[in-house]
Amino acid sequence: EVQLVESGGGLIQRGGSLRLSCEASGFTFKDYWMNWVRQAPGKGLVWVSRINEDGTYTAYADSVKGRFTLSRDNAKNTLYLQMNSLRVEDTAVYYCARGPRMAVAGTWYTWFDPWGQGTLVTVSS
Amino acid sequence: DIQMAQSPSSLSASVGDRVTITCRASQSITSHLNWYQQKPGRAPKFLIYAASRLQSGVPSRFSGSGSGTDFTLTINSLQPEDFAIYYCQQSYTTPYTFGQGTKLEIK
Repeated sequence: EVQLVESGGGLIQRGGSLRLSCEASGFTFKDYWMNWVRQAPGKGLVWVSRINEDGTYTAYADSVKGRFTLSRDNAKNTLYLQMNSLRVEDTAVYYCARGPRMAVAGTWYTWFDPWGQGTLVTVSS
Repeated sequence: DIQMAQSPSSLSASVGDRVTITCRASQSITSHLNWYQQKPGRAPKFLIYAASRLQSGVPSRFSGSGSGTDFTLTINSLQPEDFAIYYCQQSYTTPYTFGQGTKLEIK
């Protein structure tokens, strides 16, 4: 069974740091892009960051650029999100999501599947 | 950034109805459009990629269409388990962006 399990969330003061982890199982982790997506309480989904298969390329939402760092350890089948200088507006459930890619008629498509159960990060003022 | 706008924001329907949700991108995303379903307290579930291709295991009453900037998700013969929030998402370029969601409620 393909599974993603996040951990590392919790209550942290504004300006603090947290590291989220996402442990993957049931698939060949090193063959996939991986993503983080967050959801503030009662709000919609917001993409946070993406990393390629070998960790050499990352992309970030502007709202976290310079504060968050995405990395992976393919030997441990684990994705990490280092979050520094946390703000109250970073409060959300953080989901890790696999990013499969498929070529259709010569064009590559990607999506988020599956998603982990999420880990809640609460930043207090 | 590419903005994604869904309509309606909420929708009431009955079991057995056919419903359509619309998603509009602020610029052309060709067919790089995905749909997800989210139930309360749960992680989103992936439904459709490339605007119209159904993920394996998703019931055939779900269908997607569109290209460029305008897309639709249609659910035929609504079942009780379909009442949820639906999100579109563009994967044309980062930052990937989602629509604000459409809440499908039981009438």
